[in-house]
Amino acid sequence: DSGVTQTPKHLITATGQRVTLRCSPRSGDLSVYWYQQSLDQGLQFLIQYYNGEERAKGNILERFSAQQFPDLHSELNLSSLELGDSALYFCASSATGISTEAFFGQGTRLTVV
Amino acid sequence: DQQVKQNSPSLSVQEGRISILNCDYTNSMFDYFLWYKKYPAEGPTFLISISSIKDKNEDGRFTVFLNKSAKHLSLHIVPSQPGDSAVYFCAASAGSSNTGKLIFGQGTTLQVKP
Repeated sequence: DSGVTQTPKHLITATGQRVTLRCSPRSGDLSVYWYQQSLDQGLQFLIQYYNGEERAKGNILERFSAQQFPDLHSELNLSSLELGDSALYFCASSATGISTEAFFGQGTRLTVV
Repeated sequence: DQQVKQNSPSLSVQEGRISILNCDYTNSMFDYFLWYKKYPAEGPTFLISISSIKDKNEDGRFTVFLNKSAKHLSLHIVPSQPGDSAVYFCAASAGSSNTGKLIFGQGTTLQVKP
């Protein structure tokens, strides 16, 4: 158990819909990262938050947004969903804003039908 | 643009033998490299890392080698055990980015046969 909790584990939704994925980081970790893993692909960095502020952004679509709340949990919002958004979405956390040895959650498997 | 590449999608070795997983990168700004291991239905787990100021780092059965001139790193597992069967991801970061952002390869599925 990495200490990072992601909910839900599985999500099936229709095209055009909006979903919210939730992540609780390890106790004491200030950074939260979101990664997307599509079929047979590596993990693609989406976005990082550090202590409530956006720290780094990857190739995150404009239809996607994220935030980190004062209690340090984070949410990833995906809207106007398309079939191609079906993927595993991982959240990771680390102690600082530059620590690369992040701890990953189990992921949320999103299926868009 | 795939900055971190793992060209072998899969590798099969016999229990007790050496497993060698390879990774190439293109961005010369990368200065820290990590290997993660992933079992089905679980998130990636950190395995071992190496800074660009070193060419080797060892942790038990796992050794990572870095060849900066070739922009190549490899993970050696000796001896391989059936429990090592998993997907292995190579990842890299650039300290100059001032973030913990990681760039991952596509992964190599290792199967260790008893």
